[in-house]
Amino acid sequence: QKEVEQNSGPLSVPEGAIASLNCTYSDRGSQSFFWYRQYSGKSPELIMFIYSNGDKEDGRFTAQLNKASQYVSLLIRDSQPSDSATYLCAVNEDSSASKIIFGSGTRLSIRP
Amino acid sequence: DVKVTQSSRYLVKRTGEKVFLECVQDMDHENMFWYRQDPGLGLRLIYFSYDVKMKEKGDIPEGYSVSREKKERFSLILESASTNQTSMYLCASCGAGAADTQYFGPGTRLTVL
Repeated sequence: QKEVEQNSGPLSVPEGAIASLNCTYSDRGSQSFFWYRQYSGKSPELIMFIYSNGDKEDGRFTAQLNKASQYVSLLIRDSQPSDSATYLCAVNEDSSASKIIFGSGTRLSIRP
Repeated sequence: DVKVTQSSRYLVKRTGEKVFLECVQDMDHENMFWYRQDPGLGLRLIYFSYDVKMKEKGDIPEGYSVSREKKERFSLILESASTNQTSMYLCASCGAGAADTQYFGPGTRLTVL
């Protein structure tokens, strides 16, 4: 059974600090990796994707991928209360994008 | 902007009723998906479709069927609703590339009494 694992949290981070969210996956052949943000009662929305080893930055967000260790992480700099949400890690297990496996999510809480 | 719409935000049905959930996307995406999301269990794939009239079972297809007669529309059918099908149902669509991301509809919260 191919799996994507995340710590469910809640992860509590003070406002202005860096929030670090981690995800591990079991399928070594996975090709694309995504981070979604989901506010309570809302549907997931994409915030980052990455498919090459290393870091990818977009504003306050940085995705980090290490295929050898099979983990992907999301860093949120200068955390804001509006970043409080559940963050879902998703992994594309094949090259056709026909099936993406989601982790169960990490709940992040930014305290003022 | 990609738009994925779902026919209802909230739905209340009785046990044994037939339930139709509809999803429409406006980006000419090949792939469409139905998930359910429950606390502690995350997103679980029910069915997906990679082309018109084509479908594949996901992880939890039992008690559900789907229909895709047109590229933009993907329907989820509960033939005989049961209380354990009370959940949030999310539709998503994406293109055919490996790096294509899934775009989600707003979700339908279904309660089966």
